[in-house]
Amino acid sequence: DQQVKQNSPSLSVQEGRISILNCDYTNSMFDYFLWYKKYPAEGPTFLISISSIKDKNEDGRFTVFLNKSAKHLSLHIVPSQPGDSAVYFCAAKSGNYGGSQGNLIFGKGTKLSVKP
Amino acid sequence: NAGVMQNPRHLVRRRGQEARLRCSPMKGHSHVYWYRQLPEEGLKFMVYLQKENIIDESGMPKERFSAEFPKEGPSILRIQQVVRGDSAAYFCASSLLDTNGNTIYFGEGSWLTVV
Repeated sequence: DQQVKQNSPSLSVQEGRISILNCDYTNSMFDYFLWYKKYPAEGPTFLISISSIKDKNEDGRFTVFLNKSAKHLSLHIVPSQPGDSAVYFCAAKSGNYGGSQGNLIFGKGTKLSVKP
Repeated sequence: NAGVMQNPRHLVRRRGQEARLRCSPMKGHSHVYWYRQLPEEGLKFMVYLQKENIIDESGMPKERFSAEFPKEGPSILRIQQVVRGDSAAYFCASSLLDTNGNTIYFGEGSWLTVV
């Protein structure tokens, strides 16, 4: 049973426009969410995170929105650039410390293509 | 993911052989995690270690897989008697729990191919 779902395997966007990547989760105990970006043959790179006590976190061109009641989060990239083309993974976890601190639950990823 | 070093980057093993994957965490990090990614899948948590301790191994297969993080040297993920289904990318990550415990940083991965 997938606890973190990214229902769109791929997304294509024109350069300069907004990219919106979506993620849904089922476990109400999740209290921290992260987005990672991954290029082929490389490890995931941390992008941005959000705590469940917030509904928005912004870092430059990247903004993450969290809707707890809908168990939904989204990553907005604006303006999108060709270098943003990669696979984006949503991840979630519960508890900041203890045995499960590093036990992130990942979605299957969304492949973003930004066309010039 | 700069700073977390994994080797080898690519490893080919015949069925029944052993695979050893190494991970050196970022400088100052004492918490190490191993994840596995099968083709077309997301990353799956395997194990969380601190120096000389296994904290959470809930994602580790019960047999053939083991992990350690000794007092000195890198963390090792060991797979004995490999089978074709073990072919995957294995990612190591590390974190500094006290000041940035909510974010873990990944290495570039080790790609295991079992033939």
